[in-house]
Amino acid sequence: GEDVEQSLFLSVREGDSSVINCTYTDSSSTYLYWYKQEPGAGLQLLTYIFSNMDMKQDQRLTVLLNKKDKHLSLRIADTQTGDSAIYFCAVRRGGRRALTFGSGTRLQVQP
Amino acid sequence: SQTIHQWPATLVQPVGSPLSLECTVEGTSNPNLYWYRQAAGRGLQLLFYSVGIGQISSEVPQNLSASRPQDRQFILSSKKLLLSDSGFYLCAWSPGTGGEETQYFGPGTRLLVL
Repeated sequence: GEDVEQSLFLSVREGDSSVINCTYTDSSSTYLYWYKQEPGAGLQLLTYIFSNMDMKQDQRLTVLLNKKDKHLSLRIADTQTGDSAIYFCAVRRGGRRALTFGSGTRLQVQP
Repeated sequence: SQTIHQWPATLVQPVGSPLSLECTVEGTSNPNLYWYRQAAGRGLQLLFYSVGIGQISSEVPQNLSASRPQDRQFILSSKKLLLSDSGFYLCAWSPGTGGEETQYFGPGTRLLVL
């Protein structure tokens, strides 16, 4: 079955770049997503990438996809204290409804 | 624009009591609807999804059930809650058009079973 793994915790200083990594096992994963969850809140979609892309940039966010290694990363430039949250990687195979989520990476931004 | 609502926001229920959580979507028609559960400190697990009124698919066997009485309403229920049903329940919707199908999440309901 599908499996998605993320490191549990990342701490950075305000103004630095953050890189959150994710690995997945299903090579048929077609759609790959990054969600942000603030304390006590639902999930906010940040960005997504198709498997036929290797990079996507959206303002301070850059997503890199290495299909060969089944590795997805989210880079946040100029990290702010408001970026402190849990970040979830999720993947979906084309034709399937279910998203498979990682367990989330807690990003702590220190002033 | 589309919005998704869930209520209640927080619920404390005794073991053995019934449960009804509601999710409604505004600003779209024929959405696909989803119920997820997030256990403490963990990722999300898909419980149910629906592609239309009265159409429910279950992803995991459990003590819960789902219903879709109207196009934009999705309900999660239980006849008798277990301690293990505690968690954060998230409803999501996606456009029912096929293709990329990004899922958008509601604010969630935190359920504590005592």
